[in-house]
Amino acid sequence: KAGVTQTPRYLIKTRGQQVTLSCSPISGHRSVSWYQQTPGQGLQFLFEYFSETQRNKGNFPGRFSGRQFSNSRSEMNVSTLELGDSALYLCASSFPGTSGTVFGPGTRLTVL
Amino acid sequence: TQLLEQSPQFLSIQEGENLTVYCNSSSVFSSLQWYRQEPGEGPVLLVTVVTGGEVKKLKRLTFQFGDARKDSSLHITAAQPGDTGLYLCAGEGNYGQNFVFGPGTRLSVLP
Repeated sequence: KAGVTQTPRYLIKTRGQQVTLSCSPISGHRSVSWYQQTPGQGLQFLFEYFSETQRNKGNFPGRFSGRQFSNSRSEMNVSTLELGDSALYLCASSFPGTSGTVFGPGTRLTVL
Repeated sequence: TQLLEQSPQFLSIQEGENLTVYCNSSSVFSSLQWYRQEPGEGPVLLVTVVTGGEVKKLKRLTFQFGDARKDSSLHITAAQPGDTGLYLCAGEGNYGQNFVFGPGTRLSVLP
């Protein structure tokens, strides 16, 4: 059974650019959540999608957005990148009604 | 805002020793999860506890959820180098909110 896949694994961008990260959940999982992990702030919740609808949103600026497709794959976009956006971005998928959350390996974003 | 604290922040021990890490909050959580994360990887779910006072054992790891569902502990017996990693606790709010993560305990087990 394939795990959660995130692409790309590493990304280097400069300030002001935008970036799109992709996440493919485990087959059958319809809930996808995104988290930002930094040494200073730890793991912080960005948003959750279920059946193509954003169900929950964390406390991040509007530069951070996401979407989910009909096959449950999800993307997140960060516009007008800032140095502080450098982080490991993690995607997690789960099956509704279960506690079996599975994280992907993350995308390491560096903003120069 | 629900917050989780973890202690200690860092822990370095010798192989074979026992240890306990703690996860505390002033808020009540409907469930709590423990994860281990290794460098360059995403967190891996170890256990979910749901009932106040619940104790779960996973080989050498023992997890306990506080009676009031505000705190939890993870006890490792006879630690091994393979236990090295970042241990994260995450609490689920009572109204279906997404998980709130603690800052983690970074454990290093030396051979």
